Amino acid sequence: GALVYQYPRRTICKSGTSMRMECQAVGFQATSVAWYRQSPQKTFELIALSTVNSAIKYEQNFTQEKFPISHPNLSFSSMTVLNAYLEDRGLYLCGAGDRVGSDYTFGSGTRLLVI
Amino acid sequence: QQQVRQSSQSLTVWEGETAILNCSYENSAFDYFPWYQQFPGEGPALLIAIRSVSDKKEDGRFTIFFNKREKNLSLHIKDSQPGDSATYFCAASGNMGYKLTFGTGTSLLVDP
Repeated sequence: GALVYQYPRRTICKSGTSMRMECQAVGFQATSVAWYRQSPQKTFELIALSTVNSAIKYEQNFTQEKFPISHPNLSFSSMTVLNAYLEDRGLYLCGAGDRVGSDYTFGSGTRLLVI
Repeated sequence: QQQVRQSSQSLTVWEGETAILNCSYENSAFDYFPWYQQFPGEGPALLIAIRSVSDKKEDGRFTIFFNKREKNLSLHIKDSQPGDSATYFCAASGNMGYKLTFGTGTSLLVDP
C-alpha cells in the first residue's frame, strides 16, 4: 500500500535555530507533495505544494526564505524551518499524491517544539 | 475567513448509534470533498470522499450526504464503535485538488 514516513517524529529546537524534516513515500510515486502545519488547535495551514519538475508554490504567509523545500525525486521531500520561533510550533504534515488531484496520503508528522 | 466549517467541535454518541458530523463550505469552485480521520499522535488518514456530481457516497459504515445547492455535507457513521473515536476533518478542493482546504475538525467520542 501507499505509505508516507516522516522523520523525525518529534524535535525540539532553540529559538532562532533551524531544523530539517524529511518525508519519504513508499509504494507509490510522490509526484505532488503538500506540506501542512497543524496548530495545537488542530487547524491545518497549507505551507506549500511541490510537484516534481515544477516550481514550488508557497501559500500566503509562507515563504521559501523561511521554509525552503526540496523535492528531488518521486519518493522524497524535505523542508527546513529556518530561524524557528514560538509561532512555528506545531505538527508539520507531509501529504503526497501520485498525481495532481489525487488523494493525499499523509505521514504521521513531525512535531516541532521551540524553546 | 474559514472556507470549510465544521459546526461541532466535539460530538459524543453511544456505541451502536449513528454519528452525524456536519460540514459546510463557502467556495462554489470546490468540487471534491474528502473526509479524514485522525487519531492522537498520527497524521490524518483518508476515510471517504465524494465529488460534487454525486449526492451520496457510501463505504461500509461510512456515508457522505452532499447538498450542492446548500453547500453542505455530512458524514454518517453507522453502528459507531469505540474505535471510531477520533477527530474527523472535512476537506475540500477544486482545480483537480491542487489545494486541499481543511475544516477545523470534529472530535468524536463513542461511549461504550
